[in-house]
Amino acid sequence: KNEVEQSPQNLTAQEGEFITINCSYSVGISALHWLQQHPGGGIVSLFMLSSGKKKHGRLIATINIQEKHSSLHITASHPRDSAVYICAGQFLDDKIIFGKGTRLHILP
Amino acid sequence: DSGVTQTPKHLITATGQRVTLRCSPRSGDLSVYWYQQSLDQGLQFLIQYYNGEERAKGNILERFSAQQFPDLHSELNLSSLELGDSALYFCASSVDRAGTQETQYFGPGTRLLVL
Repeated sequence: KNEVEQSPQNLTAQEGEFITINCSYSVGISALHWLQQHPGGGIVSLFMLSSGKKKHGRLIATINIQEKHSSLHITASHPRDSAVYICAGQFLDDKIIFGKGTRLHILP
Repeated sequence: DSGVTQTPKHLITATGQRVTLRCSPRSGDLSVYWYQQSLDQGLQFLIQYYNGEERAKGNILERFSAQQFPDLHSELNLSSLELGDSALYFCASSVDRAGTQETQYFGPGTRLLVL
């Protein structure tokens, strides 16, 4: 059965802290997506990974295929990073399963 | 602005009714995905179309159907609406060249309220 688990559910940190959000999945995937959803509801795709590591500004995403695990890191966090972060596994049967999301709150 | 447009932005209707949600993908994108986001279920994948053909099906109810037209825009039809169908409906598009997965670009969503 295709499953995606994300942790933590909620995370509050001080501005400047290094943030890590984790995502694990049950069976093989063809791609792992990290999404950001702001309070207004809009969804932005941050990364799509099938292997290795990607970096965009202060955001880094990694994936370990053998361990079926991905992490999203935010360096030098800022209050504007406050949002819900969602991972999604795109499985070999093309179905997509979402994690429950991590609500991140960065305090100034 | 992702380049993906969805209409309408908001829709209020009654139980038992039928509605159609529309999605125009980014120029050049061949795949359209439909998602439902409700408070209790979170984000769920409904269905994917690629270049006019259904490619993958998720948790889409039999009361719901979708299609992708030759100009690549897509419509999601929801019929015999129930209170529980109230949700945000997103579409996303991606290039998805044959055999590869690409980044998805999300539309702003349609907020459906069934009374």
